Amino acid sequence: GAVVSQHPSRVICKSGTSVKIECRSLDFQATTMFWYRQFPKQSLMLMATSNEGSKATYEQGVEKDKFLINHASLTLSTLTVTSAHPEDSSFYICSIDTETQYFGPGTRLLVL
Amino acid sequence: QKEVEQNSGPLSVPEGAIASLNCTYSDRGSQSFFWYRQYSGKSPELIMFIYSNGDKEDGRFTAQLNKASQYVSLLIRDSQPSDSATYLCAAWKTSYDKVIFGPGTSLSVIP
Repeated sequence: GAVVSQHPSRVICKSGTSVKIECRSLDFQATTMFWYRQFPKQSLMLMATSNEGSKATYEQGVEKDKFLINHASLTLSTLTVTSAHPEDSSFYICSIDTETQYFGPGTRLLVL
Repeated sequence: QKEVEQNSGPLSVPEGAIASLNCTYSDRGSQSFFWYRQYSGKSPELIMFIYSNGDKEDGRFTAQLNKASQYVSLLIRDSQPSDSATYLCAAWKTSYDKVIFGPGTSLSVIP
């Protein structure tokens, strides 16, 4: 399967700051990447579909101005959580491919 | 009705037994089905996928698909403590071109 990396693996920030999470496809050119969020003991929730060279598609209820997605190349997508608040604390996971999802290792965000 | 449903568990089985995990889906247009394993604090990893009705075996794992009943299952033979994890069932929804995940079933294999 494809290899996906994420950076950072863990981040702690103060409320009101912005945090950028990177998702890299190491061996596959991904025109589409997906961003998920997972709260403790809950399932994966798709936040948005990141499309290379075009705007991301956000799921219902996800604020596109708060969760900025940039997919500038076939190997990199970034998710920026703007003005983070404690309720944004979660496990953020990216994946590539559409049908068979290959996941990155995830980024655990804690907003104080 | 949730699009992909699973019993949340926890499901407990003794070491060496067969663990049976079940999943139902509501969209008959779903074509591909996946089982992912997720250890606590880690991201999901793909175990198996299945497209056709019937059984598909890979080592200790067998996926079963019944499209008429809209039912997918995963059997784990000779369960090991290392199999203790949450198992996510997923369906690829062709009309929306995205994967829909179930809530997951927690499995605990007791030594």
